[in-house]
Amino acid sequence: DAGITQSPRYKITETGRQVTLMCHQTWSHSYMFWYRQDLGHGLRLIYYSAAADITDKGEVPDGYVVSRSKTENFPLTLESATRSQTSVYFCASTWTGTTYEQYFGPGTRLTVT
Amino acid sequence: QKEVEQDPGPLSVPEGAIVSLNCTYSNSAFQYFMWYRQYSRKGPELLMYTYSSGNKEDGRFTAQVDKSSKYISLFIRDSQPSDSATYLCAMRRAGGTSYGKLTFGQGTILTVHP
Repeated sequence: DAGITQSPRYKITETGRQVTLMCHQTWSHSYMFWYRQDLGHGLRLIYYSAAADITDKGEVPDGYVVSRSKTENFPLTLESATRSQTSVYFCASTWTGTTYEQYFGPGTRLTVT
Repeated sequence: QKEVEQDPGPLSVPEGAIVSLNCTYSNSAFQYFMWYRQYSRKGPELLMYTYSSGNKEDGRFTAQVDKSSKYISLFIRDSQPSDSATYLCAMRRAGGTSYGKLTFGQGTILTVHP
């Protein structure tokens, strides 16, 4: 199916464990983004990527790692999960022509216990 | 201080009311101004965008940008229960190395009751 997908949709993990959230888009969009959404903070940018093998930090990158070996995939890894990383994570993508419009995935609800 | 400030509400209005949602910002480099709508447990979707100053109308929705005051608004006329959602304002700079990065407000939770 065309679009942007995230997996898993729900995840419960323990403090200290490594967790990887997956994001896949079928449009061949150049730009991809990871956000976290918390009450009172709106959407905050964690990392973004302008193309395969080009990534950069956003507003709240600490504790997260990204990679982008293929245009269509942009996984986000929490190296050692902490309770403060309990959040809803959204992946988004866009193309060069309309970078004001980002297309969001359905989100991953992550709970760190 | 956040670059973009938005009153989180919540805002509750009766069906048919005119709704006004607002954001203020501090970065004068912002040139694109967007409103995203997010239904419960879904990802945000673009509702409207405006480049630079002025008004833009789309059906029951009107977006206004006042760059001199660093203030943007979204008006919803004849509000419907289906408009119940979180509305997020977003902004970005023009060109340069912004890579399409958007800065979002906190979002306003709107409920339209029948």
